[in-house]
Amino acid sequence: AQTVTQSQPEMSVQEAETVTLSCTYDTSENNYYLFWYKQPPSRQMILVIRQEAYKQQNATENRFSVNFQKAAKSFSLKISDSQLGDTAMYFCAFISNYGGSQGNLIFGKGTKLSVKP
Amino acid sequence: DGGITQSPKYLFRKEGQNVTLSCEQNLNHDAMYWYRQDPGQGLRLIYYSQIVNDFQKGDIAEGYSVSREKKESFPLTVTSAQKNPTAFYLCASSVGARLPEAFFGQGTRLTVV
Repeated sequence: AQTVTQSQPEMSVQEAETVTLSCTYDTSENNYYLFWYKQPPSRQMILVIRQEAYKQQNATENRFSVNFQKAAKSFSLKISDSQLGDTAMYFCAFISNYGGSQGNLIFGKGTKLSVKP
Repeated sequence: DGGITQSPKYLFRKEGQNVTLSCEQNLNHDAMYWYRQDPGQGLRLIYYSQIVNDFQKGDIAEGYSVSREKKESFPLTVTSAQKNPTAFYLCASSVGARLPEAFFGQGTRLTVV
């Protein structure tokens, strides 16, 4: 069975600094996708970034980037120039795509990030 | 505007009653999901559907039921068999295997009174 583990329940960072959130996963499949979602206090889940397992290049979206280590099954999120609006719960998620047939989306338990002024 | 609409935003249920949470999407997505969110638990999958008239149990399906009669709609019924239904419920949808990222509704907060 696939699992997603986020080992940091809470983190904090000073405004304008950089922070890295950790995520590891376990799967025996070779084709899959990984995501980071953000859930601010409004509780609306927002997709931050996605990574296809077959791509070696790490995904980047503005201030957000990932460090994808397939062999180590690690998928960390780096937030640069942290802003107060980045304060939220962050969830790492995994979905398999074996033979083009999609599995279900599996989430970690989340990391609560606080950005301090 | 395209999106996923969950209703109601807040729902109160008396013990022993069944209640149905609505989820509608106009994104033409094939796959739809229901998650339950409790403090410290992250999101746990209740049911998912990859196609109309087909759905699969997730990790915590006991006490819940769903239907998928239309592509746009995936209602969740919380039955009286669910022992601890107070939680935040999130519905999501995705295109499918080609574009698997899920988009979420704004959630329904269910409270048993």
